[in-house]
Amino acid sequence: QVKLLQSGAELVKPGASVKLSCKTSGFTFSTSYMSWLKQVPGPSIEWIGWIYAGDGGTNYNQKFKGKATLTVDKSSSTAYMDLSSLTSEDAAVYFCASGFDWYFDFWGPGTMVTVSS
Amino acid sequence: DVQMTQSPSYLAASPGESVSISCKASKSISNNLAWYQEKPGKANKLLIHSGSTLQSGTPSRFSGSGSGTDFTLTIRSLEFEDFAVYYCQQYNEYPLTFGSGTKLEIK
Repeated sequence: QVKLLQSGAELVKPGASVKLSCKTSGFTFSTSYMSWLKQVPGPSIEWIGWIYAGDGGTNYNQKFKGKATLTVDKSSSTAYMDLSSLTSEDAAVYFCASGFDWYFDFWGPGTMVTVSS
Repeated sequence: DVQMTQSPSYLAASPGESVSISCKASKSISNNLAWYQEKPGKANKLLIHSGSTLQSGTPSRFSGSGSGTDFTLTIRSLEFEDFAVYYCQQYNEYPLTFGSGTKLEIK
């Protein structure tokens, strides 16, 4: 059974950084593409980027370059996303999702990030 | 970026009825389109990929059609569990982009 377990909600101060995690099980992590997505009510879902767990190769949405950094730990089948220099625009629910193509077979439950002083 | 326009934004229907949701791409995306279902408290679920291929576990009352720029998700004989939000997503080119969603509510 495929599982994607995301870290808990975060409350961060403007200008700070946060690291979100997504621990996976039930599929071959090392040959999967792990994507991260951002959802804000209204504007829908935005794809941030993916990381290929096999070699750490990445592909980012130009909009999120410099904002998000994706990494993986193959030993624990966990994907991570660092978000830097947070502003109110970064407040959202962030999802991890896995797949072997450019659509998303499985999704995590989401992590809510609140940015407030 | 490829803009994905979904319509309608809201749709009210009764169990047993059939509904269709439209997704239009701003340029041709071949058949590189997926549909997802979002329900409160549950992880998003992939329903269809490649425009019309049902993901394993998707009930046969769901179907997808279209290619190029115009796509449709049809749900026949609605069941209570189908009332949710539906999104389309193109994966023909980067950045991957989503429609704005269609909320299917019980009439």
